[in-house]
Amino acid sequence: DAGITQSPRHKVTETGTPVTLRCHQTENHRYMYWYRQDPGHGLRLIHYSYGVKDTDKGEVSDGYSVSRSKTEDFLLTLESATSSQTSVYFCATRSGENYEQYFGPGTRLTVT
Amino acid sequence: QQQVKQSPQSLIVQKGGISIINCAYENTAFDYFPWYQQFPGKGPALLIAIRPDVSEKKEGRFTISFNKSAKQFSLHIMDSQPGDSATYFCAASKNTGNQFYFGTGTSLTVIP
Repeated sequence: DAGITQSPRHKVTETGTPVTLRCHQTENHRYMYWYRQDPGHGLRLIHYSYGVKDTDKGEVSDGYSVSRSKTEDFLLTLESATSSQTSVYFCATRSGENYEQYFGPGTRLTVT
Repeated sequence: QQQVKQSPQSLIVQKGGISIINCAYENTAFDYFPWYQQFPGKGPALLIAIRPDVSEKKEGRFTISFNKSAKQFSLHIMDSQPGDSATYFCAASKNTGNQFYFGTGTSLTVIP
């Protein structure tokens, strides 16, 4: 997985609670992405980062925020989790020298 | 709306046969078209990718055919093997490479 780890790998939480997912990379890649994967929708981009403290919204950003204080870490926060945010979340990185993305192993989040 | 439309949703092929998965797009600004392979419980992995300046790219048993005028591209898996059984996603990106749009995925089963 090109030196990408995600934590936690599994999480069950209750509606209304805040949740933070972490993506850590050892590749020194400039770009980092958060996607969610749902049946019938494929992968949809939530937010991405093009450098430390530089982030932008993707196509499904409502209800999510991100932060990137170091090159190696990209955090995804659900301020107040809802059942519609039950999904598998994938982090990806890209060096910037080409378009190739590398994906982490995913985090399965269940909001009850 | 779905920026990249993928079909079929599922595909069953006999060992040794040819698997064909199709994708279509509308945005002519897209200039990078990758295919990803995903095994259960794993993150997607880049399989092969193409730029619109060529009509075909081959890597081993995997070939991308690209039809710029029709705004379609397809993945062909020759001599399909049971180990190819996975979910395949097509995707597209614009020249910034910041946003990637994925198809909804095709579940391929290769029967021995």
